[in-house]
Amino acid sequence: DQQVKQNSPSLSVQEGRISILNCDYTNSMFDYFLWYKKYPAEGPTFLISISSIKDKNEDGRFTVFLNKSAKHLSLHIVPSQPGDSAVYFCAGKIQGAQKLVFGQGTRLTINP
Amino acid sequence: EAGVAQSPRYKIIEKRQSVAFWCNPISGHATLYWYQQILGQGPKLLIQFQNNGVVDDSQLPKDRFSAERLKGVDSTLKIQPAKLEDSAVYLCASSFSGTLNSPLHFGNGTRLTVT
Repeated sequence: DQQVKQNSPSLSVQEGRISILNCDYTNSMFDYFLWYKKYPAEGPTFLISISSIKDKNEDGRFTVFLNKSAKHLSLHIVPSQPGDSAVYFCAGKIQGAQKLVFGQGTRLTINP
Repeated sequence: EAGVAQSPRYKIIEKRQSVAFWCNPISGHATLYWYQQILGQGPKLLIQFQNNGVVDDSQLPKDRFSAERLKGVDSTLKIQPAKLEDSAVYLCASSFSGTLNSPLHFGNGTRLTVT
């Protein structure tokens, strides 16, 4: 039962352009969504989050959009930089619990 | 501040052997998590501690996996006996209070290979 799905295993974007990473979920009990970034041989690091009562949250070059009716969220990175090359995980937090349910991840490659 | 420390970084064992992983969370972090990340998948929560008590171990295969957090600080995760499907990266994470306002800080993980 895959509650959080990232259907694109990989994405390649040119430096300076916009990167859009997508995530779909099935569990209506998620009250927060988070994005984590992971470099090889390192643990995931927290990037940005959004409450389920919001539809947008912005932090510098990173913006997360939430469409509750479609059960879809996306992470926009503008402009993309070489250091953004990493695996990005989308995660949902179940209301009333602290457990995070992660998607499979999307490997983002920024080409110079 | 020092991050979450995990050891060893890599471990190779044969099936049916036992193995233990160690985690030292960030100082002052009350909540500690063990996640399993199989290649090509996202991390999956195995067990969550609040201080030295277990909050959630619903996805821990208790017939072979065990974990403890003595004195509410360091934690160990043990697998006995190991199976081939246990090959994965085992990630330890900690947070200050276990609420969303204190996001999880992950260690670099232990990569386990079971042959």
